[in-house]
Parts: sequence; structure tokens; C-alpha cells
Amino acid sequence: DQQVKQNSPSLSVQEGRISILNCDYTNSMFDYFLWYKKYPAEGPTFLISISSIKDKNEDGRFTVFLNKSAKHLSLHIVPSQPGDSAVYFCAASAKAAGNKLTFGGGTRVLVKP
Amino acid sequence: DAGITQSPRHKVTETGTPVTLRCHQTENHRYMYWYRQDPGHGLRLIHYSYGVKDTDKGEVSDGYSVSRSKTEDFLLTLESATSSQTSVYFCAISELPLWQSGANVLTFGAGSRLTVL
Repeated sequence: DQQVKQNSPSLSVQEGRISILNCDYTNSMFDYFLWYKKYPAEGPTFLISISSIKDKNEDGRFTVFLNKSAKHLSLHIVPSQPGDSAVYFCAASAKAAGNKLTFGGGTRVLVKP
Repeated sequence: DAGITQSPRHKVTETGTPVTLRCHQTENHRYMYWYRQDPGHGLRLIHYSYGVKDTDKGEVSDGYSVSRSKTEDFLLTLESATSSQTSVYFCAISELPLWQSGANVLTFGAGSRLTVL
């Protein structure tokens, strides 16, 4: 019973275009959401986060959108660059549950030059 | 990797043998975690530590034990490895406990790939 799901295991996009990664969750208690990026043979690194009191957070080329009513968040990368090719994990936490991070299964992004 | 070293980075072992993975940090962070990553499952928490000799179970702790005798070292032990424990294991650290703030960010090591034949 996965509480955080990334239904697209992979995504291919042309350099310069927008990459949109989606993440759905089932636990309405989640109140904080994070995205991590992972290159091969390396550990995940923190990318961007959003609190449930917001619906958008932007950091340079990366924007995360949160739709609480739909229990859905998305990560937009604009413009996509070859260096963005990696696996992206969304994660969620609930203060009521000790803020333990629950990760999605990941989406592999390939940015083609 | 922000001062986190995992060893060994790769290990192949046979079913039934004991295995210990080591995580060493130089950041002096109080909180340390062991995760496993499997295709389609993302990262799942095995055990975590909130101080020297203070540890607790995560969501997939069966078959694993941990020890933390020093702030900088967190050991993960598979007493009798099974094929289902073939995975990539990540150690992570944080300054604050996750239960204090959801905004707290984990810093991960590079991972240890374990294959159990």
C-alpha cells in the first residue's frame, strides 16, 4: 500500500523543453513534500520542497505545485537541460506521524540534446 | 557527499552469511538513518538513530539490526542475509530530527550495493 506514488517510471524530453513530473499521495495527513534528485552511483540530493500551506514554490528552473484537494503534486523543470537527466523521487511527511519521510518509486528523466 | 562515507560500496555474499555495512559521518549530526532502495519502491526506512546507543525501527526493519557506539558511525547488520535483502542501501544524516520539522532535509551517502546469491 504505497502512500506516495509516481506513476510514470520514466520520462523523455528534449533539451530546452519543459519536464513535468507527477506524484500522487493518499494520506491526507501529509503536510510537507520534498523532491530529491539522484544520479547513478550517487545518493539522492535534496532539490526543492513545499509546505501544505502553499500551492507553489519556485527555485530557479524548478517549480513544485501542490494540489491538496487532488492529493497531487508536480515538479516542473524549465528549461530542461542534459544535466537534469536523473531519477527524481518525491517524498512526503506528516508531523502527526513523526515526520517520517515516505518516498515514491521514482521517475527516471532523460533530457535529449 | 557532505562528509558521509559508506563502506563497502559493493558487496556480493551468499545466503545465510552475516553482513555489516558501515556509515561514517564527519558532520557531527545527531540523527542517522539507513534506507534501502528497490525498483518501484523508492527508498524505505530500515532503522534510524537519534543519538549514541539510541536507535529505533523503521518500516522495513525485519532481518536487520543496527548499532551506534560513536556519533560518527552507524552500522547496519544483516545477521543472516537472504536474497530479498539484495538492494542498494543508503545511509543518511540530519541535523534535526524529522519529527521536529518536515522541512528538515536528509543528506545521503553514495550508497552500498549488496547482492545476496
